[in-house]
Amino acid sequence: DAGVIQSPRHEVTEMGQEVTLRCKPISGHNSLFWYRQTMMRGLELLIYFNNNVPIDDSGMPEDRFSAKMPNASFSTLKIQPSEPRDSAVYFCASKGNEQFFGPGTRLTVL
Amino acid sequence: DAKTTQPPSMDCAEGRAANLPCNHSTISGNEYVYWYRQIHSQGPQYIIHGLKNNETNEMASLIITEDRKSSTLILPHATLRDTAVYYCIVRVPYSGAGSYQLTFGKGTKLSVIP
Repeated sequence: DAGVIQSPRHEVTEMGQEVTLRCKPISGHNSLFWYRQTMMRGLELLIYFNNNVPIDDSGMPEDRFSAKMPNASFSTLKIQPSEPRDSAVYFCASKGNEQFFGPGTRLTVL
Repeated sequence: DAKTTQPPSMDCAEGRAANLPCNHSTISGNEYVYWYRQIHSQGPQYIIHGLKNNETNEMASLIITEDRKSSTLILPHATLRDTAVYYCIVRVPYSGAGSYQLTFGKGTKLSVIP
């Protein structure tokens, strides 16, 4: 089992650019979560899906953030336009019996 | 979900048992206690969870007091690779009506010393 796969692992971009983060959950898991981690705010839940349907997106900070799950094996988190304060590590997790986290994408917005 | 309180940091000698405490005095009757850890630059990792009975798996043991207001995660023989931030989380069980969230606090930074 490859676990939760995230790409890219590192992303450096300039303010105003569009950023797309990708996640492949563990096969058979029907729930998917996007988290953001910063030194100031710790680990925060942004949005989660159940059976590909967004259940709670109250953690999404602004309209610049959007997430999709077109099928059971793929999800994206998009930031458009990106800002320096979006710099963080973004984790994707999927849930079978318990939540398993991916390795994260470290985003730096200059 | 109930709030938890953990010490911000702890040290443990390599090879000794690491005992990480967690207070959850407002826990409800149907809330479970979960433990995750996060090793530097990695995603959080599930360790163990329990309701009221003590639990043990290949990673750790979880001791929950009889009144359920506190618990202790025990790593029986700590190694340098156990250096991480350990999060104690209490939450209601998965209901089947949807999915569930984990609310992470600041956790305890455990340093295993050679």
